[in-house]
Amino acid sequence: QQQVKQSPQSLIVQKGGISIINCAYENTAFDYFPWYQQFPGKGPALLIAIRPDVSEKKEGRFTISFNKSAKQFSLHIMDSQPGDSATYFCAAQAYGQNFVFGPGTRLSVLP
Amino acid sequence: NAGVMQNPRHLVRRRGQEARLRCSPMKGHSHVYWYRQLPEEGLKFMVYLQKENIIDESGMPKERFSAEFPKEGPSILRIQQVVRGDSAAYFCASSPGQLTTNYGYTFGSGTRLTVV
Repeated sequence: QQQVKQSPQSLIVQKGGISIINCAYENTAFDYFPWYQQFPGKGPALLIAIRPDVSEKKEGRFTISFNKSAKQFSLHIMDSQPGDSATYFCAAQAYGQNFVFGPGTRLSVLP
Repeated sequence: NAGVMQNPRHLVRRRGQEARLRCSPMKGHSHVYWYRQLPEEGLKFMVYLQKENIIDESGMPKERFSAEFPKEGPSILRIQQVVRGDSAAYFCASSPGQLTTNYGYTFGSGTRLTVV
């Protein structure tokens, strides 16, 4: 129940396209859902996060869509750029608990 | 603000040796978390510490692994008698207070341990 599932494992998108990464969870106690971006040789960096009281959050080209009833959330990267090529991790947290991370999606944006 | 500092960045150890990984949290942060990332896998929680206290070590292997966060100085993750399976990237994160859902962690750049 602590698991966060993430798909796809890898994703190749053309420059200017939309990248979509999906995550699903079981634990209804989760109430905070961040996304992290990790470049090779670097630590994960917080990209964007959402709480379940909203269905969507947008920051620039990055949007989180949240479906509480389905226990799913997704990251959309609009107008994907080669500089977006990285590994993306979704995560979930219940209050007072540690974060649980998905296994990651390796995104490659072709020029 | 230098962020979360981890050293060394790369560490090579022979089987049976000890590995010591250091983490200095962000200024003002008193909570430290250690995660392990195996190749092609996600981040797995290991241990959560405050100054001089281990709060949650549910992700730590029962043997050979230990962690501390002394009153003065960095947090240390120690792996005794390393084996090839310990080869991974070890990330430290910090937060300013008790776990809440108001913010994500700030991660360091990690220590990449290679056991030969």
